Amino acid sequence: NAGVTQTPKFQVLKTGQSMTLQCAQDMNHNSMYWYRQDPGMGLRLIYYSASEGTTDKGEVPNGYNVSRLNKREFSLRLESAAPSQTSVYFCASSEATKTGGQYFGPGTRLTVT
Amino acid sequence: QKEVEQNSGPLSVPEGAIASLNCTYSDRVSQSFFWYRQYSGKSPELIMSIYSNGDKEDGRFTAQLNKASQYVSLLIRDSQPSDSATYLCATFTGGGNKLTFGTGTQLKVEL
Repeated sequence: NAGVTQTPKFQVLKTGQSMTLQCAQDMNHNSMYWYRQDPGMGLRLIYYSASEGTTDKGEVPNGYNVSRLNKREFSLRLESAAPSQTSVYFCASSEATKTGGQYFGPGTRLTVT
Repeated sequence: QKEVEQNSGPLSVPEGAIASLNCTYSDRVSQSFFWYRQYSGKSPELIMSIYSNGDKEDGRFTAQLNKASQYVSLLIRDSQPSDSATYLCATFTGGGNKLTFGTGTQLKVEL
């Protein structure tokens, strides 16, 4: 099992450009999450999907959109990138929300200039 | 008050010693608690979960939970240099689906 995979690993964007971060899991988990991690701020939840067909905002959703494409895949889109979105982005999955731990992908390091 | 608080460290311990990492939380209804290990430049890795008061042991790791004091800790016995990492505490807050993380404690195990 690959667990949780993310693409790309690194990305540099110019302000105003758009891009989509891809995430897939092969653990048959129902719930998937997108986090960003910034120095001194810890991990902050951007969006999550409790189950296929549902998505909900987390702590810092502004400037992002998500799509739960199917049970395996959950993508994060930046429509118009801003320097404040420079961060490391992690996708995670779990069997269900509210119970059990979450398993993280390797992350995408995004720089917006 | 932060929902999940950890001392940022660094916590330095000699090889072979017991490392004690602490975490406090503010939401009294929190039921599930998790410890993650994160090496520099890598993603968080789930190492322990604990749901009821008391101790839970897994190899060299022991998680301790005291809901009355709203306190959870992680003990690492026989610390090794490979244990040097940042340890994140997390719990579900607000009765909802959001897993809230502390900012982590950096552990350094010295030879």
